Amino acid sequence: GQSLEQPSEVTAVEGAIVQINCTYQTSGFYGLSWYQQHDGGAPTFLSYNALDGLEETGRFSSFLSRSDSYGYLLLQELQMKDSASYFCAAQAGTALIFGKGTTLSVSS
Amino acid sequence: DTGVSQDPRHKITKRGQNVTFRCDPISEHNRLYWYRQTLGQGPEFLTYFQNEAQLEKSRLLSNRFSAERPKGSFSTLEIQRTEQGDSAMYLCASSSGSRAGNTIYFGEGSWLTVV
Repeated sequence: GQSLEQPSEVTAVEGAIVQINCTYQTSGFYGLSWYQQHDGGAPTFLSYNALDGLEETGRFSSFLSRSDSYGYLLLQELQMKDSASYFCAAQAGTALIFGKGTTLSVSS
Repeated sequence: DTGVSQDPRHKITKRGQNVTFRCDPISEHNRLYWYRQTLGQGPEFLTYFQNEAQLEKSRLLSNRFSAERPKGSFSTLEIQRTEQGDSAMYLCASSSGSRAGNTIYFGEGSWLTVV
């Protein structure tokens, strides 16, 4: 089967750095995406890794290691508005398969 | 580019009734997806269209669910004989398929409550 594992919750304070890990087991893997979802809102795209290494987009970075079936999302200079759920998603064929999500709570 | 639109945003229905949701994707996107999401879970893939062709369906998709995209533009998702377990948010998403990573853009979702 296809599955993605990520921690259910992470807490941090404003200005801190947090890393959300994701391990995956999928067939026909093409790449790993990250999505953010605020309560009641739609998931929005953050980042994508097709190749091993680090991709940086502003305060957010994402990393992939295909050999380890592992990736992470790194959020720097945390702000209160970053409190949300974060999903890793594996591109397997045409569909994106999502993990269960990590709830990030940022406190002041 | 007005984004992905879904209608209705909220629907309350009695068990056993049929419901239909509509999705209007981003206009130049030829790929369209339906997902279902329940509280505390990630989006669960239901089905995928490329233009008007339904190319992939989740094995979890009950035969009470049917989706169409008749002209390769908007899509409908119908649930027949609804059950309480169908209560969820139904998300539509679209993509152009031309960008590496197959970035998909989600609509705001249609919340279904079956009572």
